[in-house]
Amino acid sequence: AQTVTQSQPEMSVQEAETVTLSCTYDTSESDYYLFWYKQPPSRQMILVIRQEAYKQQNATENRFSVNFQKAAKSFSLKISDSQLGDAAMYFCAYRSFGNEKLTFGTGTRLTIIP
Amino acid sequence: EAQVTQNPRYLITVTGKKLTVTCSQNMNHEYMSWYRQDPGLGLRQIYYSMNVEVTDKGDVPEGYKVSRKEKRNFPLILESPSPNQTSLYFCASRPPRGREAFFGQGTRLTVV
Repeated sequence: AQTVTQSQPEMSVQEAETVTLSCTYDTSESDYYLFWYKQPPSRQMILVIRQEAYKQQNATENRFSVNFQKAAKSFSLKISDSQLGDAAMYFCAYRSFGNEKLTFGTGTRLTIIP
Repeated sequence: EAQVTQNPRYLITVTGKKLTVTCSQNMNHEYMSWYRQDPGLGLRQIYYSMNVEVTDKGDVPEGYKVSRKEKRNFPLILESPSPNQTSLYFCASRPPRGREAFFGQGTRLTVV
């Protein structure tokens, strides 16, 4: 069974600084997707970024980028120029091709210090 | 606006009183799922549906039922709720070739 591990329950970062959230996963599949979702206090699940396992290039969305290490089964999220609106719970998630289940990590609560 | 809509947003009920949480999507997505979110556990899949009349169990299906009679709707039914079903529930949908799921706003359920 696939598992996703987020080892940092809480992180904090100074506004305008850079922070990296860690995620590791375990799978025997070769084709899969990885996601980072943001959950602000409104509880809405918002997709931040996704990565296809077959792509070697790391995904980037504005201030958000990932470091995808397929062999190490690692998928970290880097947030540059942190803003107050980035404060939220962040979930790493995995889905294999042809499977409808998203497997989530336990989340990392990110606090932005003004 | 493309969206997944859940109702109600908040619900407090008593043990054993049957309830239904509705989920509707206006994107014509084939795939729909229900998840529950609990502190320290992340989100876990309850049930999913690949199309009308096609449903299957996720990781934590005990105590829940679903139905998919129409493509747009995927209600979650708790026939006899218990306090351990107190949780935050999310419905999600995606098209067959879509990569990411779209989530509803969540339903906070408390069973006393």
